[in-house]
Amino acid sequence: QVQLQQWGAGLLKPSETLSLTCGVYGGSFSVYYWSWIRQPPGKGLEWLGEVNQRGNTHYNPSLKRRVTISLDTSKNQFSLNLTSVTAADTAMYYCARARGSGSYLSPWGQGTLVTVSS
Amino acid sequence: QSVLTQPPSASGTPGQRVTISCSGSTSDIGSNTVHWYQQLPGTAPTLLIYINDQRPSGVPDRFSGSKSGTSASLAISGLQSGDEADYYCASWDDSLQGYVFGTGTKVTVL
Repeated sequence: QVQLQQWGAGLLKPSETLSLTCGVYGGSFSVYYWSWIRQPPGKGLEWLGEVNQRGNTHYNPSLKRRVTISLDTSKNQFSLNLTSVTAADTAMYYCARARGSGSYLSPWGQGTLVTVSS
Repeated sequence: QSVLTQPPSASGTPGQRVTISCSGSTSDIGSNTVHWYQQLPGTAPTLLIYINDQRPSGVPDRFSGSKSGTSASLAISGLQSGDEADYYCASWDDSLQGYVFGTGTKVTVL
């Protein structure tokens, strides 16, 4: 049964780049899309984007200029980069596996709280 | 940005049936499948219903999903205290070319 374990810096200053990585344990990259979702404190879920093994990506249009999601199959992990962060990017960030592009998300990672503060 | 609309809250007493609606448009629910996620307090979301009405293994049959036109619904029958959580619907949006979540519904067991 596949499990996702994520890690990355939890405290950033405005204008810095957010970088998170999600390790995939017990499964392969083929067929699936690999996604990132975030949730500001006390608010709802926001999809950030996804990538598949071929490197095909889809991004949330509202964040497209700042977001990059990449895959490293040799390390069984995928990553999120979000540039020029502001306080509005403070959120719990989750990685998740999608059955196909835009399909259901399961499983999810445990979440990483990222705080942007000067 | 949420484009799927859910009621902010729903409640019921133990044993009752609760229904949560999810309203979308022709570009999202009207053209694609709907999935539901349960987020227990302080935890990551988990898949509850997929492809409109399918339950992953381990999800009790007290949870059921349906879709009609540009709307979907999640029903919880035999409500239990452990069902207190936030519930989110989700679908792909062909216009945005992105995945969209509902606004979320907090279920309270009275």
